[in-house]
Formats: sequence, structure tokens, C-alpha cells
Amino acid sequence: NAGVTQTPKFQVLKTGQSMTLQCAQDMNHEYMSWYRQDPGMGLRLIHYSVGAGITDQGEVPNGYNVSRSTTEDFPLRLLSAAPSQTSVYFCASSYSIGVDSYEQYFGPGTRLTVT
Amino acid sequence: AQKVTQAQTEISVVEKEDVTLDCVYETRDTTYYLFWYKQPPSGELVFLIRRNSFDEQNEISGRYSWNFQKSTSSFNFTITASQVVDSAVYFCALSDLPFNSGGSNYKLTFGKGTLLTVNP
Repeated sequence: NAGVTQTPKFQVLKTGQSMTLQCAQDMNHEYMSWYRQDPGMGLRLIHYSVGAGITDQGEVPNGYNVSRSTTEDFPLRLLSAAPSQTSVYFCASSYSIGVDSYEQYFGPGTRLTVT
Repeated sequence: AQKVTQAQTEISVVEKEDVTLDCVYETRDTTYYLFWYKQPPSGELVFLIRRNSFDEQNEISGRYSWNFQKSTSSFNFTITASQVVDSAVYFCALSDLPFNSGGSNYKLTFGKGTLLTVNP
């Protein structure tokens, strides 16, 4: 299994440009999430999905859109990039079995710079 | 709202010293999970441990040990005989499980992390 993959690894955008960060997992996990990591802030949840066709907002959703048409893919769209979106973005997936829930598996991250 | 506090921003030790990383959490839920993740300089997030709120047993894994105390809402992490390879940022995280959540850890609240530097 490749686990959770993210593309690209690095990206530089100009203010106002749009782009999509790709995330895919091959573990058949139901749950997927996007986080951003900023210096001294830990990781903060942007959006999450509990299954194909179901998404919801996390702590810092403004400026981002998501969709989940398949179990495997969970892309994150920046509609009009702003310098405040300069960050490292992590995608994660997780699963549960019965009443037991397991850890999130994280992708390698995408480092985004908006100039 | 959930909150995770890692009061130690940076810790520096000399190799072979023991070091404890503190984690204090707040949640209104009675059912939740706690996690520790390691982020080495290469940047990936490495899962270390998951603890259910109903399981207060301490855990030891090699040089790593975890002390979970519900009475003080703490989940501290100790590295015994630290090594240079332990140098990393360590994150504590909380996942609450509301009644209708479906019971999965898809919403983690992270602390701000503790940067551990182990010097030779």
C-alpha cells in the first residue's frame, strides 16, 4: 500500500491564483481530513469527510473548498490564493471498526507559498 | 470546545537524559482518544500512540512511556535515555467522539507542539 499520497510536494502561487492540492489513499478508509500547519500553531483542521459525498468544515475552512466523489480521493481547492494561505498542508485518513476508532494516517505534506 | 495545551515550547537535553513532554487537554465529552505524533526534521508525521479515555493504564514501548491521568486531564510522554534521533517536534492531539459522530477520529485537535532537541 502507498498509504496517503499528496501532490504536489511544493507549490508557489501568486495572489489570486487558484489550485487544487491532491490527496489519495489506498487503504479504503472512510474518513479523510485536511489540516494546515503554521509555525507555532500546531495543526488545524480545514475540512473533513466521513464518506464519499459527505464533507464538513473544520476549524479554519475559509478560502478552501473540498469534495469527495470517491472513497480514495479528497482534493482541497484554493479558489483565490492569499498570502495568509502560505502553509504546509497535510491530508489524513482514518477508519473505525465497530466502536473502536484508530489513528489518522498522514500524507507527506504539501508546502505552499503564496506571493 | 476541545483544547490541548503543550506548555513546553522547546526542550533541550543532552543525550542519555530522560525527558518528559507535558500534555494537558480539555473536553466536555466522556469518550475521547488521545494521541502523540512525532514530526522529525524531514517533516512527516509519525504516529506514536493512541489512548482511549476508558483506558487509564500507562504504557511503555521501549524507551517511550506514557502516563495518562484523567483526574488531571493529562497525557504525558517520557523518553528514557534520550538519543539524538529523538530530536523532533512532538504533538499531542485529542479526538472527541460526540454521540452522533459515528465514532471515528477524523477531527483531531492538536497542541502547538514541543520541539525536543537532543544534543550529543
